[in-house]
Amino acid sequence: EPEVTQTPSHQVTQMGQEVILRCVPISNHLYFYWYRQILGQKVEFLVSFYNNEISEKSEIFDDQFSVERPDGSNFTLKIRSTKLEDSAMYFCASRPNTGELFFGEGSRLTVL
Amino acid sequence: GENVEQHPSTLSVQEGDSAVIKCTYSDSASNYFPWYKQELGKGPQLIIDIRSNVGEKKDQRIAVTLNKTAKHFSLHITETQPEDSAVYFCAASKRNAGNMLTFGGGTRLMVKP
Repeated sequence: EPEVTQTPSHQVTQMGQEVILRCVPISNHLYFYWYRQILGQKVEFLVSFYNNEISEKSEIFDDQFSVERPDGSNFTLKIRSTKLEDSAMYFCASRPNTGELFFGEGSRLTVL
Repeated sequence: GENVEQHPSTLSVQEGDSAVIKCTYSDSASNYFPWYKQELGKGPQLIIDIRSNVGEKKDQRIAVTLNKTAKHFSLHITETQPEDSAVYFCAASKRNAGNMLTFGGGTRLMVKP
């Protein structure tokens, strides 16, 4: 069964460092998303991406965040200068033109 | 913006009993309500969804009901099994395919054998 894959599964970084989280969405999907879940809190929408551009973003997705689809398969989330409060589980998701959203297993980011 | 509240935060049932999880939403324009199951170390997985033009949907042991007037929707799991143990999230969206989902806080369901 096709699935959304994410790497790394866990990353530990120092405050102020840049982090790139990678995702490979399901191959025929057109819409791509990043969500995050701070430990013990709700899953929160960050950004959606369609046709090589951001279609929606939340207040959380400030100038420290960026997304990119550098080739036909990868979808990345970059945090330019990490803060302690960026520690969370980051989920990538994708969906076809119509249909359900498929989530990856997440990348746990720990900022020290 | 949309706010989704979910109750209870934890639920413990005996195997074979039913489990009910309830959610309320604030934005009357929301029209798509999915439910996700998240097992330990995995991402959320869609188990059932309902759109605002129907009041109930059933899939084997799982059913979801929607009351648009009261702005609440519920997940019902009958004949629970230990493998139903997980965290369940409700969500709401203004778009049918689940763009920009607003999630509830989650319910940890424990089914005791």
